[in-house]
Amino acid sequence: DVKVTQSSRYLVKRTGEKVFLECVQDMDHENMFWYRQDPGLGLRLIYFSYDVKMKEKGDIPEGYSVSREKKERFSLILESASTNQTSMYLCASKGTGGTLNYGYTFGSGTRLTVV
Amino acid sequence: KQEVTQIPAALSVPEGENLVLNCSFTDSAIYNLQWFRQDPGKGLTSLLLIQSSQREQTSGRLNASLDKSSGRSTLYIAASQPGDSATYLCAVNADSNYQLIWGAGTKLIIKP
Repeated sequence: DVKVTQSSRYLVKRTGEKVFLECVQDMDHENMFWYRQDPGLGLRLIYFSYDVKMKEKGDIPEGYSVSREKKERFSLILESASTNQTSMYLCASKGTGGTLNYGYTFGSGTRLTVV
Repeated sequence: KQEVTQIPAALSVPEGENLVLNCSFTDSAIYNLQWFRQDPGKGLTSLLLIQSSQREQTSGRLNASLDKSSGRSTLYIAASQPGDSATYLCAVNADSNYQLIWGAGTKLIIKP
């Protein structure tokens, strides 16, 4: 089974800190995604990447950046954390081509609290 | 613009009952549709993936159907158990960038 691993389950950071959320997948998937999930707003796409060093903005990229230096790792960066970035962050990966690779696999999520 | 709706928003049934969760979408031009489950405070677990060319998929007590022409998918859960209590989300993959369009979810409670 594909595994998507997010490095932290819970994080507490201070306003203004630079925050790194790490995501690693082990199935050589080309596509990786970062979502945030908030009550009443559902899942919203922040950024995605379809190849190493490639990135595309999602619906809510403001205040975030990403890095994909290696195929298996996709990092989300909060340049200067703010309280409105308190949320559940979910990473996902997806392969390209072949029936078995069409589905998305999600990590277990990182609950980030900015104080 | 593709929109995905899930009805009902919440459902509570006694243990042992069979139940159906609904997902509808406005544009039939989709690549596939995926059902997920989410336990409180946790990530998403993929349950079933239906390609646009398929009519249904089964996994254990779960069966998902897809009717593209009517813009509908159903998730059938047989012989429900308290452990099935969770939020169920459907998502449509509608473009070549693989972005998912999400429903708001159905919160399911199975009463022992």
